[in-house]
Amino acid sequence: GDSVTQMEGPVTLSEEAFLTINCTYTATGYPSLFWYVQYPGEGLQLLLKATKADDKGSNKGFEATYRKETTSFHLEKGSVQVSDSAVYFCALSTGTSYGKLTFGQGTILTVHP
Amino acid sequence: DAGVIQSPRHEVTEMGQEVTLRCKPISGHDYLFWYRQTMMRGLELLIYFNNNVPIDDSGMPEDRFSAKMPNASFSTLKIQPSEPRDSAVYFCASTPTSGRIGEQFFGPGTRLTVL
Repeated sequence: GDSVTQMEGPVTLSEEAFLTINCTYTATGYPSLFWYVQYPGEGLQLLLKATKADDKGSNKGFEATYRKETTSFHLEKGSVQVSDSAVYFCALSTGTSYGKLTFGQGTILTVHP
Repeated sequence: DAGVIQSPRHEVTEMGQEVTLRCKPISGHDYLFWYRQTMMRGLELLIYFNNNVPIDDSGMPEDRFSAKMPNASFSTLKIQPSEPRDSAVYFCASTPTSGRIGEQFFGPGTRLTVL
C-alpha cells in the first residue's frame, strides 16, 4: 500500500536558520506529492505540491522537489521566521483513489526569535 | 466563499453519552473526508464520501462510530457511546472532482473531550 515517512520531530530552530524536513514515500502508482501546514488551533492547509518527477513546488519561501529516483519530497526554506512555527505534513495522492490523501505523521517545527 | 464549517468547535461530554459532530463542506465539492487527530496516532482518515455515498470506511475505529451524508451540504459523525479514548480533534475536509487533485480544504476542527 501507499505510505509516507517524515523525519522525526520536533524540530527547533532559531529565526533565519535553514530548514529541511525530510519526506520519503512508497506508492503503487505514480503519485502527486504535497506538503500541508497546520498552524496552532487550525485545520490543515495546502502549502505546496508537485505532480510529476523533477517538478518543484514553492510557496511562502518554502520549496520541495519531486525526486522519483529517491522517492523523496523534502521541504526546505532558506530562512525561517517565528511565524513558520507549525506542524508540517507530507502527503501523496494516486489516481487509484481519487481525492484521497495518504499523510505522513507530521513534523512539529518551533522557531525561536 | 465560506470555507468548510464544523460545529461545535469544542465539545465536552461524559463517558457513555452520544456525541454528534457536524460538517458543512464547501459548495460544489463532491468529496468529503472525516479525520481524527491525536498526539499518539497523528492524523487518521476515518471515512470519506463521494456524491454523498461512503466510499471507504475502513478507518472507522469500531461500531460505536457512524457517519452519514444525507445531502451534498451536510455530514455528521456520531459516536455512541463515547469513551475517554475518543478524545481528539476531529476534522472535516472537502474537495471537488474538477479541482486540483489532492487539494483538500479542511475545516477548523472539533475538539472533543470525553470525561
